[in-house]
Amino acid sequence: GDSVTQMEGPVTLSEEAFLTINCTYTATGYPSLFWYVQYPGEGLQLLLKATKADDKGSNKGFEATYRKETTSFHLEKGSVQVSDSAVYFCALSDRAGNQFYFGTGTSLTVIP
Amino acid sequence: KAGVTQTPRYLIKTRGQQVTLSCSPISGHRSVSWYQQTPGQGLQFLFEYFSETQRNKGNFPGRFSGRQFSNSRSEMNVSTLELGDSALYLCASSLWESEQYFGPGTRLTVT
Repeated sequence: GDSVTQMEGPVTLSEEAFLTINCTYTATGYPSLFWYVQYPGEGLQLLLKATKADDKGSNKGFEATYRKETTSFHLEKGSVQVSDSAVYFCALSDRAGNQFYFGTGTSLTVIP
Repeated sequence: KAGVTQTPRYLIKTRGQQVTLSCSPISGHRSVSWYQQTPGQGLQFLFEYFSETQRNKGNFPGRFSGRQFSNSRSEMNVSTLELGDSALYLCASSLWESEQYFGPGTRLTVT
Protein backbone atom coordinates (compact mmCIF):
# COMPACT_ATOMS: atom_id res chain seq x y z
CA GLY A 1 0.00 0.00 0.00
CA ASP A 2 0.89 3.66 -0.10
CA SER A 3 3.24 4.95 2.59
CA VAL A 4 5.57 7.77 3.55
CA THR A 5 8.95 7.41 5.23
CA GLN A 6 10.30 10.45 6.94
CA MET A 7 13.64 11.36 8.41
CA GLU A 8 13.88 10.62 12.11
CA GLY A 9 14.27 13.48 14.51
CA PRO A 10 14.68 15.42 16.55
CA VAL A 11 16.69 17.93 14.58
CA THR A 12 18.41 20.85 16.29
CA LEU A 13 19.89 23.68 14.24
CA SER A 14 21.34 27.09 14.91
CA GLU A 15 19.54 30.11 13.54
CA GLU A 16 20.37 30.79 9.86
CA ALA A 17 21.50 27.20 9.26
CA PHE A 18 20.38 25.21 6.21
CA LEU A 19 17.57 22.74 6.75
CA THR A 20 16.85 19.48 4.96
CA ILE A 21 14.23 17.00 6.10
CA ASN A 22 14.14 13.86 3.99
CA CYS A 23 10.93 12.25 2.83
CA THR A 24 10.45 9.29 0.51
CA TYR A 25 7.22 7.69 -0.54
CA THR A 26 5.75 4.49 -1.91
CA ALA A 27 2.66 4.76 -4.06
CA THR A 28 1.03 2.70 -6.76
CA GLY A 29 -0.27 5.63 -8.76
CA TYR A 30 0.57 9.29 -9.12
CA PRO A 31 0.03 10.82 -5.71
CA SER A 32 0.00 14.42 -4.62
CA LEU A 33 2.63 15.27 -2.02
CA PHE A 34 2.45 17.66 0.91
CA TRP A 35 4.38 19.09 3.80
CA TYR A 36 2.47 20.07 6.91
CA VAL A 37 3.76 21.88 9.99
CA GLN A 38 2.46 21.61 13.54
CA TYR A 39 3.28 24.22 16.16
CA PRO A 40 2.92 23.32 19.84
CA GLY A 41 -0.69 23.00 20.95
CA GLU A 42 -2.08 23.43 17.44
CA GLY A 43 -3.38 21.35 14.57
CA LEU A 44 -1.48 20.74 11.35
CA GLN A 45 -1.11 23.54 8.82
CA LEU A 46 -0.43 23.00 5.15
CA LEU A 47 3.03 24.32 4.35
CA LEU A 48 3.37 23.43 0.67
CA LYS A 49 2.28 20.91 -1.92
CA ALA A 50 3.13 19.43 -5.31
CA THR A 51 0.69 17.54 -7.48
CA LYS A 52 2.87 16.09 -10.23
CA ALA A 53 6.42 15.05 -10.99
CA ASP A 54 9.01 17.85 -11.11
CA ASP A 55 6.62 20.32 -9.47
CA LYS A 56 8.23 22.49 -6.82
CA GLY A 57 6.13 23.59 -3.88
CA SER A 58 7.25 26.64 -1.93
CA ASN A 59 6.04 28.78 0.94
CA LYS A 60 7.62 30.97 3.65
CA GLY A 61 11.12 30.17 2.37
CA PHE A 62 10.54 26.41 2.42
CA GLU A 63 10.79 24.38 -0.79
CA ALA A 64 10.29 20.79 -1.86
CA THR A 65 10.50 19.19 -5.31
CA TYR A 66 8.45 16.17 -6.38
CA ARG A 67 11.05 13.68 -7.65
CA LYS A 68 9.38 10.70 -9.25
CA GLU A 69 12.65 8.98 -10.19
CA THR A 70 13.81 8.88 -6.56
CA THR A 71 10.27 8.86 -5.04
CA SER A 72 11.28 11.73 -2.81
CA PHE A 73 9.92 15.06 -1.60
CA HIS A 74 12.62 16.51 0.64
CA LEU A 75 11.90 19.74 2.53
CA GLU A 76 14.55 22.48 2.43
CA LYS A 77 15.04 25.97 3.76
CA GLY A 78 18.12 28.05 3.25
CA SER A 79 18.13 29.92 6.55
CA VAL A 80 15.99 28.76 9.47
CA GLN A 81 14.64 31.01 12.19
CA VAL A 82 13.70 30.33 15.79
CA SER A 83 10.05 30.68 14.75
CA ASP A 84 10.44 27.64 12.45
CA SER A 85 10.68 25.38 15.51
CA ALA A 86 7.84 22.89 15.06
CA VAL A 87 7.05 19.36 13.94
CA TYR A 88 7.04 18.77 10.18
CA PHE A 89 5.00 16.04 8.50
CA CYS A 90 5.38 14.72 4.99
CA ALA A 91 2.19 13.34 3.46
CA LEU A 92 0.74 11.94 0.26
CA SER A 93 -2.74 11.53 -1.03
CA ASP A 94 -3.78 8.86 -3.45
CA ARG A 95 -4.97 9.78 -6.91
CA ALA A 96 -8.58 9.96 -5.85
CA GLY A 97 -7.72 12.12 -2.88
CA ASN A 98 -9.69 9.77 -0.70
CA GLN A 99 -7.04 9.04 1.84
CA PHE A 100 -3.94 10.72 3.16
CA TYR A 101 -0.84 8.96 4.42
CA PHE A 102 1.38 10.80 6.88
CA GLY A 103 4.96 10.31 7.90
CA THR A 104 5.91 10.05 11.54
CA GLY A 105 6.86 13.70 11.82
CA THR A 106 10.24 15.38 12.38
CA SER A 107 10.70 17.70 15.30
CA LEU A 108 12.82 20.75 14.53
CA THR A 109 14.28 23.04 17.17
CA VAL A 110 16.11 26.17 16.10
CA ILE A 111 18.34 27.78 18.72
CA PRO A 112 19.42 31.43 18.62
CA LYS B 1 -13.57 31.85 5.15
CA ALA B 2 -13.75 30.24 8.58
CA GLY B 3 -11.42 27.32 9.20
CA VAL B 4 -12.16 23.89 10.58
CA THR B 5 -13.56 24.09 14.08
CA GLN B 6 -13.57 21.37 16.69
CA THR B 7 -15.44 21.21 19.96
CA PRO B 8 -14.68 20.85 22.73
CA ARG B 9 -11.00 21.76 22.75
CA TYR B 10 -10.26 19.92 25.98
CA LEU B 11 -12.03 17.04 27.64
CA ILE B 12 -11.39 14.90 30.69
CA LYS B 13 -13.24 11.61 31.01
CA THR B 14 -13.08 8.54 33.22
CA ARG B 15 -12.36 5.00 32.04
CA GLY B 16 -15.49 3.26 30.86
CA GLN B 17 -17.31 6.43 29.88
CA GLN B 18 -18.12 7.41 26.32
CA VAL B 19 -17.35 10.65 24.53
CA THR B 20 -18.52 12.52 21.44
CA LEU B 21 -16.34 14.99 19.59
CA SER B 22 -17.59 17.42 16.99
CA CYS B 23 -16.04 18.86 13.84
CA SER B 24 -17.35 21.57 11.55
CA PRO B 25 -15.53 21.61 8.19
CA ILE B 26 -14.69 24.58 6.03
CA SER B 27 -17.77 25.75 4.17
CA GLY B 28 -18.14 23.80 0.92
CA HIS B 29 -15.88 20.95 1.99
CA ARG B 30 -17.66 17.62 1.86
CA SER B 31 -14.88 15.31 2.99
CA VAL B 32 -14.04 15.04 6.68
CA SER B 33 -11.28 12.86 8.11
CA TRP B 34 -10.41 12.05 11.70
CA TYR B 35 -6.99 11.29 13.14
CA GLN B 36 -5.64 10.28 16.52
CA GLN B 37 -2.30 11.76 17.52
CA THR B 38 -0.24 10.39 20.39
CA PRO B 39 3.46 10.77 21.26
CA GLY B 40 4.04 7.04 20.88
CA GLN B 41 2.05 6.24 17.74
CA GLY B 42 2.17 9.55 15.92
CA LEU B 43 -0.67 10.49 13.59
CA GLN B 44 -3.06 7.62 12.92
CA PHE B 45 -5.98 7.68 10.52
CA LEU B 46 -9.36 6.83 12.03
CA PHE B 47 -11.90 7.29 9.23
CA GLU B 48 -13.02 9.53 6.41
CA TYR B 49 -16.52 10.60 5.45
CA PHE B 50 -17.82 12.07 2.24
CA SER B 51 -21.43 13.07 1.72
CA GLU B 52 -22.52 11.23 4.86
CA THR B 53 -20.84 7.97 3.80
CA GLN B 54 -17.78 6.44 5.38
CA ARG B 55 -15.33 5.88 2.51
CA ASN B 56 -12.23 4.79 4.40
CA LYS B 57 -11.51 3.38 7.81
CA GLY B 58 -8.28 2.94 9.72
CA ASN B 59 -7.29 0.09 11.95
CA PHE B 60 -9.11 0.99 15.15
CA PRO B 61 -11.48 -1.10 17.26
CA GLY B 62 -15.23 -0.82 16.89
CA ARG B 63 -15.38 1.40 19.98
CA PHE B 64 -14.42 4.22 17.63
CA SER B 65 -17.24 5.32 15.37
CA GLY B 66 -18.24 8.37 13.46
CA ARG B 67 -20.90 9.93 11.34
CA GLN B 68 -21.42 12.86 9.05
CA PHE B 69 -24.51 14.98 8.73
CA SER B 70 -26.09 16.48 5.64
CA ASN B 71 -24.40 19.83 6.35
CA SER B 72 -21.01 18.00 6.35
CA ARG B 73 -20.50 18.45 10.07
CA SER B 74 -19.07 15.31 11.61
CA GLU B 75 -18.95 13.65 14.99
CA MET B 76 -16.83 10.87 16.31
CA ASN B 77 -17.73 8.74 19.28
CA VAL B 78 -15.55 6.62 21.50
CA SER B 79 -17.33 4.20 23.79
CA THR B 80 -15.97 2.41 26.85
CA LEU B 81 -12.97 4.70 27.13
CA GLU B 82 -9.57 3.28 27.98
CA LEU B 83 -6.50 5.05 29.33
CA GLY B 84 -4.80 4.51 25.98
CA ASP B 85 -7.44 6.61 24.26
CA SER B 86 -5.89 9.74 25.74
CA ALA B 87 -4.75 11.69 22.69
CA LEU B 88 -5.19 14.71 20.51
CA TYR B 89 -8.02 14.04 18.06
CA LEU B 90 -7.71 15.97 14.85
CA CYS B 91 -10.33 16.59 12.23
CA ALA B 92 -9.50 17.64 8.68
CA SER B 93 -11.69 18.70 5.80
CA SER B 94 -11.04 18.87 2.08
CA LEU B 95 -12.58 19.47 -1.27
CA TRP B 96 -12.58 16.65 -3.77
CA GLU B 97 -9.01 15.51 -4.56
CA SER B 98 -7.23 18.32 -2.74
CA GLU B 99 -5.25 19.06 0.37
CA GLN B 100 -6.65 18.61 3.85
CA TYR B 101 -7.18 21.49 6.26
CA PHE B 102 -6.93 20.67 9.92
CA GLY B 103 -8.75 21.93 12.96
CA PRO B 104 -6.98 22.72 16.24
CA GLY B 105 -7.89 19.36 17.71
CA THR B 106 -9.62 18.08 20.83
CA ARG B 107 -7.33 17.05 23.66
CA LEU B 108 -8.92 14.05 25.39
CA THR B 109 -7.57 12.87 28.71
CA VAL B 110 -8.87 9.61 30.16
CA THR B 111 -8.29 9.06 33.87
